[in-house]
Amino acid sequence: GQQVMQIPQYQHVQEGEDFTTYCNSSTTLSNIQWYKQRPGGHPVFLIQLVKSGEVKKQKRLTFQFGEAKKNSSLHITATQTTDVGTYFCTSGTYKYIFGTGTRLKVLA
Amino acid sequence: EAQVTQNPRYLITVTGKKLTVTCSQNMNHEYMSWYRQDPGLGLRQIYYSMNVEVTDKGDVPEGYKVSRKEKRNFPLILESPSPNQTSLYFCASSFRAGRAYEQYFGPGTRLTVT
Repeated sequence: GQQVMQIPQYQHVQEGEDFTTYCNSSTTLSNIQWYKQRPGGHPVFLIQLVKSGEVKKQKRLTFQFGEAKKNSSLHITATQTTDVGTYFCTSGTYKYIFGTGTRLKVLA
Repeated sequence: EAQVTQNPRYLITVTGKKLTVTCSQNMNHEYMSWYRQDPGLGLRQIYYSMNVEVTDKGDVPEGYKVSRKEKRNFPLILESPSPNQTSLYFCASSFRAGRAYEQYFGPGTRLTVT
């Protein structure tokens, strides 16, 4: 079945450093959504990408969808302690496959 | 306030004792889904519902049942819970199924089966 691999599993960064998490699929994805889950919380929608090569920005966050629609990345510039949490990618329209998540810790 | 609610938030039970986790949304969403979250495995879809009386299996449906008799409610039923169903469960809803819609997640239910 379809799988979405997400790397890295964990990332510790110093506050102010950049952070990137990647999602990769062996099959073409119709879309990619990104969610953030704070420690002890529930996933919260960040953004959706649907077009090949699409790039979207939200303040310090940059999201990309690969040209072949098989991979995606989330890049955070100059991390802050408020960025702490686990970031998930997912794809689907009614059946959803989630990546395993990247847990980000930001050291002040 | 638009929200997805789940009850109970925490539950400790014993093997074989039937239980139901309720999920309700107040956004008139057509699509609802259940996920379980386990360390290292991320979120895995259990069941989903496209609309009232329309449900289907996700990736890990074994040992679970669902029903969708009303648009706002989507309960998850464990007829005979086992320890391997110890997990964190999330209910989610979206406007409708389809690639354009974000999912709104409930606060989660932490279930322990002994």
